[in-house]
Amino acid sequence: EAQVTQNPRYLITVTGKKLTVTCSQNMNHEYMSWYRQDPGLGLRQIYYSMNVEVTDKGDVPEGYKVSRKEKRNFPLILESPSPNQTSLYFCASKGRTNYGYTFGSGTRLTVV
Amino acid sequence: RKEVEQDPGPFNVPEGATVAFNCTYSNSASQSFFWYRQDCRKEPKLLMSVYSSGNEDGRFTAQLNRASQYISLLIRDSKLSDSATYLCVVSSGGYNKLIFGAGTRLAVHP
Repeated sequence: EAQVTQNPRYLITVTGKKLTVTCSQNMNHEYMSWYRQDPGLGLRQIYYSMNVEVTDKGDVPEGYKVSRKEKRNFPLILESPSPNQTSLYFCASKGRTNYGYTFGSGTRLTVV
Repeated sequence: RKEVEQDPGPFNVPEGATVAFNCTYSNSASQSFFWYRQDCRKEPKLLMSVYSSGNEDGRFTAQLNRASQYISLLIRDSKLSDSATYLCVVSSGGYNKLIFGAGTRLAVHP
């Protein structure tokens, strides 16, 4: 089944403790992207990648890092999480010829 | 001003009603337009792309007016299962960056 898989689905962590949210797609898509969703603000792009080893900042990149060493994987790294990074995170991917992005099921992160 | 603006709703309608959602966008260079549907606490899913000529998919009709920078979605004969948040999405740039509206919530009641 074609899908985008994120892990974990839920995570509660403490301020300053490094964490990684994994994202993997099995559709051989070139484009991958991370979004966060907050009430009243909609989804906002954190980072995106156009292909392996090609990444760039989105609208809200502060406090986040990404890497794209393999085409299928696009992990999101929070080196020192803070409470304002408490949010619902979505990974998404798209092929060059596709119209819309396919989203993962989301990761609900709480930083205390 | 937000790049993509939508009426947040909620729209509370009875089954069988026709409901229309509107959306405006600020970047005249935007290239692609979509409506996504998001159920509570779930991921957004592509409902339909929006073309200048207008397009229809069953009970759903989408329209785009580039001159007014306005997008609409019409749902006819609403079903209970249509209850969700509808996201207006605009794309620009070579990598197809998506800009999301904050969403319009629809609640269809019996």
